[in-house]
This record gives sequence, structure tokens and C-alpha cells, in this order.
Amino acid sequence: KQEVTQIPAALSVPEGENLVLNCSFTDSAIYNLQWFRQDPGKGLTSLLLIQSSQREQTSGRLNASLDKSSGRSTLYIAASQPGDSATYLCAVNSGGYQKVTFGIGTKLQVIP
Amino acid sequence: SAVISQKPSRDICQRGTSLTIQCQVDSQVTMMFWYRQQPGQSLTLIATANQGSEATYESGFVIDKFPISRPNLTFSTLTVSNMSPEDSSIYLCSVDLDGNTIYFGEGSWLTVV
Repeated sequence: KQEVTQIPAALSVPEGENLVLNCSFTDSAIYNLQWFRQDPGKGLTSLLLIQSSQREQTSGRLNASLDKSSGRSTLYIAASQPGDSATYLCAVNSGGYQKVTFGIGTKLQVIP
Repeated sequence: SAVISQKPSRDICQRGTSLTIQCQVDSQVTMMFWYRQQPGQSLTLIATANQGSEATYESGFVIDKFPISRPNLTFSTLTVSNMSPEDSSIYLCSVDLDGNTIYFGEGSWLTVV
């Protein structure tokens, strides 16, 4: 059974800092990995999707990397802004809709 | 991409009542999914809603408690029946357009008192 862990559970940084969020998974046989952002009491917004054959994906100030062999993904946020404050979740797709496992998330606070 | 609209966005419900959540997608999709996110927890798949057939429920979820309708390829409803405080959660509708990327609605935040 796939297990997804996100570290740290919470993170507080001053505005302008670069930061890294971590996601680890126990079964390296994955189809893809997706990073989401969730604002309080809201749904999930897709940020980046990395296919199992890819090493990284970039969108603006966000860069996600994937190392399947070690069961790790990182989300790098450059020049953080207060608007980046949210919970960031990673979801690992092990093959099919019933095999998507979510982490609990990292709650990020960017202090002005 | 997909635009998914959910109603209601939030509600406060009395114990023992039922509430129906609606999910509308801006394109036709074969499968729609319903998730629950309890406070401080990650997302758990409740069921998969297929047009023209019964929904497929995950372990721990039953049709009597969470009846689902899927009348067409762009719409689905999830009913939370006979609610108790333990049902206080965010309920999320999602679709998988291309067998690859998951898209979510804004969620329906239910509080049962």
C-alpha cells in the first residue's frame, strides 16, 4: 500500500525567502505525481504534474522535482510572497483513479 | 483543463438531516470522483460516479449514507444522509480529463451541529 509523507507539516518563512517542501512515497512504481495548493476551507488547485518519466516541471516561481528511485519529490518556491500562504499537498498516482494517495500537506505561512 | 463548480460552498447542518452537494463540470467527462477531507486529514476517495451506472464505493463508504447521482456527463450529486458531527468535512468533487491530471472543485465545507 502506497504511503505518502510530507515534511515539514508546517513552515513559516519571511517574505522573499526561497523554500523547499518535501514529499516522500513508499512505492516507487508510480504513474505520476501532482502538487496542489489548498487555501483554508477551499478545494485544491493543481500546481504541477510530473510524469514518472520526468525529472522536473516548472511553472513561474515553482519548480517540482521527482526522484522515483528514492521515492521523493520536492516543490521549490522561489522568492516567496504572502500570497503563497496555503497548504501544499502532493498526490501520488500509482496507476488509476483508485490508486491516488494524498499526503496530509505542508501548511506554509509567508510573513510580510 | 476543467472548470468544476460545486454548490453549496459551505453549510451548517442540523444533526440527522441530509444535504445534497452538486458538482457541475464545463466539459463532458466519463468519471467523476467524490472525496472527503476531514479536519486535519488528507483526502479520502468516497466513490466514483459513472454516467449510466451505479456509483462505485470505496471501502468504508456505503450507498445508504452517501447516495450519488450521475444523470449526465457534466453533472453529479453527492448526498450526505442522516448527518452526525463526524460528517463535518470538506467534500470535493474531482475529474480526470485525460487519465492523467486530476482537477478539483472548490469544495463544499459542511459543519454538522
